Amino acid sequence: QTVVTQEPSLTVSPGGTVTLTCASSTGAVTSGYYPNWFQQKPGQAPRALIYSASNKHSWTPARFSGSLLGGKAALTLSGVQPEDEADYYCLLYYGGTRVFGGGTKLTVL
Amino acid sequence: QVQLVQSGAEVKKPGASVKVSCKASGYTFTGYYMHWVRQAPGQGLEWMGWISPNSGGTDYAQKFQGRVTLTRDTSISTVFMELSRLISDDTAVYYCVRELREVYDYWGQGTLVTVSS
Repeated sequence: QTVVTQEPSLTVSPGGTVTLTCASSTGAVTSGYYPNWFQQKPGQAPRALIYSASNKHSWTPARFSGSLLGGKAALTLSGVQPEDEADYYCLLYYGGTRVFGGGTKLTVL
Repeated sequence: QVQLVQSGAEVKKPGASVKVSCKASGYTFTGYYMHWVRQAPGQGLEWMGWISPNSGGTDYAQKFQGRVTLTRDTSISTVFMELSRLISDDTAVYYCVRELREVYDYWGQGTLVTVSS
């Protein structure tokens, strides 16, 4: 069974920078896994942030960026705002099936 | 503007089935795939499967094979997710989400399904 692993939790100070990662049990994450990133705040539906590893939706704030880093998909938040406190999920494509990571709870403190 | 509006909360008994709808508007319904994702209380997101509103073709996560059925009605731009033989672990919020070429963008508001005797 394929497992996608994210950091369970991270803490960042307002104005700081933090990188969340997304690893696959099958090996290095490449562009062929079409990594997507989503943000979810309590009581809300997830919101799409990044697709195809590094592409932003029209509504994605500029401080969010995606990349492939060291065999993982990565989501970097630069100049973190208090409203960025949320759960973040990655989604990977496995040639038919899709698998979500377990999510990262980001605390802004 | 693109909108995905889901049906309301459901309470079902173990062993029953539930059918959740997702009505699309603001775009060409048959031009995008629709996926279903669920989230148990306090847990992460879980991918369930997709349907092509154009062809009606489907694919399901292995975990849900034989228990989930995705259908669509193009006349009302709506997709449906039916989950059968419900157990308590199926208690979750169920979401529809639009996709094209592995770009996931718009999500429905979610539908809470509670399975309880």
